[in-house]
Amino acid sequence: AQSVTQPDIHITVSEGASLELRCNYSYGATPYLFWYVQSPGQGLQLLLKYFSGDTLVQGIKGFEAEFKRSQSSFNLRKPSVHWSDAAEYFCAVIPLSSGSARQLTFGSGTQLTVLP
Amino acid sequence: EAGVVQSPRYKIIEKKQPVAFWCNPISGHNTLYWYLQNLGQGPELLIRYENEEAVDDSQLPKDRFSAERLKGVDSTLKIQPAELGDSAVYLCASSPRGGFGETQYFGPGTRLLVL
Repeated sequence: AQSVTQPDIHITVSEGASLELRCNYSYGATPYLFWYVQSPGQGLQLLLKYFSGDTLVQGIKGFEAEFKRSQSSFNLRKPSVHWSDAAEYFCAVIPLSSGSARQLTFGSGTQLTVLP
Repeated sequence: EAGVVQSPRYKIIEKKQPVAFWCNPISGHNTLYWYLQNLGQGPELLIRYENEEAVDDSQLPKDRFSAERLKGVDSTLKIQPAELGDSAVYLCASSPRGGFGETQYFGPGTRLLVL
């Protein structure tokens, strides 16, 4: 089935530690790829997006993501996490495959907790 | 620049009652989206407007949900009657032209609890 999957429901890291959030997709053609962050009481904010080209994408707030075609993955990373990064993170896609609705489709999210 | 504005932020109603949510998109944005976000899930598109025209409402449960964007600016999403399963967060988003892959800007959402 065509889908976008975030395998980790909840991740806990210590402040200053590195972070990697996983995202995998299953579509016939590589979709457009996005990462959004949702902080309590705030709207979803776009961190970065990938359409084509350089597979390492830089985003806002010090985040980056790497597209790996062979693994159908688009993992989000940050070298050093700050307490303010605690939030829910959503991977999203716009499918390009025939038969898929060309609309923004979200994964189920990963909740990030940052320990002091 | 003001972001997407939604009201109310929270709403508690009893089942079978009607409820309405309001959204004012970013000024100049022609495309407006309504999403439903269930607890522990990502948002799911309900309806998309290009100006005042609903161009994608295939996932809107039309038996009880309705939406309008009369002047191509702000929009209202209505549920009548509400059911227990409608308890969720209703998100509004907008984008400048609705172009493929264009960034969508989200409001804070309306959290609905149906008792």
